[in-house]
Amino acid sequence: ETGVTQTPRHLVMGMTNKKSLKCEQHLGHNAMYWYKQSAKKPLELMFVYNFKEQTENNSVPSRFSPECPNSSHLFLHLHTLQPEDSALYLCASSQGASSGRVYNEQFFGPGTRLTVL
Amino acid sequence: DQQVKQNSPSLSVQEGRISILNCDYTNSMFDYFLWYKKYPAEGPTFLISISSIKDKNEDGRFTVFLNKSAKHLSLHIVPSQPGDSAVYFCAASEALTGANNLFFGTGTRLTVIP
Repeated sequence: ETGVTQTPRHLVMGMTNKKSLKCEQHLGHNAMYWYKQSAKKPLELMFVYNFKEQTENNSVPSRFSPECPNSSHLFLHLHTLQPEDSALYLCASSQGASSGRVYNEQFFGPGTRLTVL
Repeated sequence: DQQVKQNSPSLSVQEGRISILNCDYTNSMFDYFLWYKKYPAEGPTFLISISSIKDKNEDGRFTVFLNKSAKHLSLHIVPSQPGDSAVYFCAASEALTGANNLFFGTGTRLTVIP
């Protein structure tokens, strides 16, 4: 496997279900991200992990719970979602941020298309 | 409020001609800008970037221009090819802060007509 992989690619769940999205990067990066892409909206940053530490939580509802067990893996645990949470969820990785100027492009996975019924 | 804007949702261009995609931003602290390309059922792929110390960066058929005073950047593709048909996203970050959180525009769908 190369680059950034995400599983599953498609997920349909009911509002009472609990599911998890998985992301894995094979690029030796130290920063990982979750984004949400809804129709006709810009990509919305949800969470950022830098060297396994969460450095950003962009006012995301608690029904989304991220987990970063190591710098190569990132999970997004989902529970009691709402239909408006249906979207494409993208994972990305980059070189870790540190002090000083950072010019790092992010590499994206193919996304998980989530439908909440 | 959206800090990065792409006001043209779509653009059609004849094969061989120039494609110009535009992007505006409001945050004067942004100092690193990127363009991504996205095909259906795939994640965005990095295309080209520019830092605020430059006003132009070129990579093959792709050139990005930055006008800091106007808070505007553009991506030029010349000559355009049918394989360039995709959604193009502009993104910006405050690299000086040491963070690399990206703020994205809504994208422009480019169609290159053979």
